[in-house]
Amino acid sequence: DIVMTQSPLYLPVTPGEPASISCRSSQSLLRRNGYNFLDWYLQKPGQSPQLLMYLGSNRASGVPDRFSGSGSGTDFTLKISRVEAEDVGVYYCMQGLQTPYTFGQGTKLEIK
Amino acid sequence: QGQLQESGPGLVRPSQTLSLSCTVSGGSITGGNYYWSWLRQPAEKGLEWIGRVHTSGSTKYNPSLKSRVTISIDTSTNQFSLNLNSVTAADTAVYYCARGTLVYNSDWFPLDYWGQGILVTVSS
Repeated sequence: DIVMTQSPLYLPVTPGEPASISCRSSQSLLRRNGYNFLDWYLQKPGQSPQLLMYLGSNRASGVPDRFSGSGSGTDFTLKISRVEAEDVGVYYCMQGLQTPYTFGQGTKLEIK
Repeated sequence: QGQLQESGPGLVRPSQTLSLSCTVSGGSITGGNYYWSWLRQPAEKGLEWIGRVHTSGSTKYNPSLKSRVTISIDTSTNQFSLNLNSVTAADTAVYYCARGTLVYNSDWFPLDYWGQGILVTVSS
């Protein structure tokens, strides 16, 4: 299985400040078609996960443009340009290159 | 837009079979190029992908559960289901159903709709 490793696991952020989460995979997620099979999900408190970014850098429908995804191969980053109170929750990266799909451990973002 | 709702017993006895259904509303379960997945999340832990079924009926399972899991689709009821047999306490978790929708020209199906989840406890 592909192992996904996130850092940090805990991220306290002041509202209005930027935040960044790293995700590394144990093998390249770049396919021959040029896409990186890496998604980001946010699980808000008491809710089911929701899709934030797909194929590394594409925002899902309705996701604010303060969220951005970057990276290729084995190193990926999710950035929030200015954190808002509604962004609290646990962020997961997930690889879709091969089954079984696997997730990172999760990064818990909290407001300072 | 699509909505998903899990249903089934919240308590299953050890060694028995866990059976859950996911009802799809707001569209036909075969109305597009979709994968329908089951995932789970033990309390205070991360997410585990269990398996998926395509609208064609083809399936893929997590090898860690493969010998115990079956996922199927029922077009007559617009549902897909999960059966996990020989359960133990380690199978206690919140179970989610989710839809994966094909991204044009990419061969990838990100999980764009999720159910609210159902807690299943395995205990005698």
